[in-house]
Amino acid sequence: AQKVTQAQTEISVVEKEDVTLDCVYETRDTTYYLFWYKQPPSGELVFLIRRNSFDEQNEISGRYSWNFQKSTSSFNFTITASQVVDSAVYFCAFLRGAAGNKLTFGGGTRVLVKP
Amino acid sequence: DAGVIQSPRHEVTEMGQEVTLRCKPISGHDYLFWYRQTMMRGLELLIYFNNNVPIDDSGMPEDRFSAKMPNASFSTLKIQPSEPRDSAVYFCASSPTGQPNGEAFFGQGTRLTVV
Repeated sequence: AQKVTQAQTEISVVEKEDVTLDCVYETRDTTYYLFWYKQPPSGELVFLIRRNSFDEQNEISGRYSWNFQKSTSSFNFTITASQVVDSAVYFCAFLRGAAGNKLTFGGGTRVLVKP
Repeated sequence: DAGVIQSPRHEVTEMGQEVTLRCKPISGHDYLFWYRQTMMRGLELLIYFNNNVPIDDSGMPEDRFSAKMPNASFSTLKIQPSEPRDSAVYFCASSPTGQPNGEAFFGQGTRLTVV
């Protein structure tokens, strides 16, 4: 069975610090997809990124960057120069390539950015 | 577009009562998902529909839960009778296409409290 582990339950940083969120997954599949979602205090989940298992290229989007390493089954997320608006719960999720639409979510990491 | 709209935002009910949660997906989206979020179990997919047809309901916890999608613009999740352990935040999400290519857009959730 697939499993997604986000070992950090809560991270507190001061504004402008960098913060890295860890995500480790377990699977025997060769084709799969990984996601990050943000859940701000308003409650809805906001899609941030999707990667497939064949694309290990790291990605940068503004202050966000993602490091995908199949060798360690990790898909880590870094926020550079954090801002108060980054305060949220961040979820890593896994999707089997042939499993239709059933996302498996990690437990989430709460990020608190203090001014 | 207004996004995925869920109602009510908050619901408090007594054990044994029937509860109906409502969702209006984004127009044109063919997929609709119901998720439940609890502290103990995190985010879980309950059921999803494609073109109004239930595809996978393996996440529905028990017979007390039922979901319908009578048309492309409306879905309900019903709990009858409700129990305190059903207390959670219930999310509806919609997607223009199926995963993994379709980004899922989430509503703001319904916080259900069963006392």
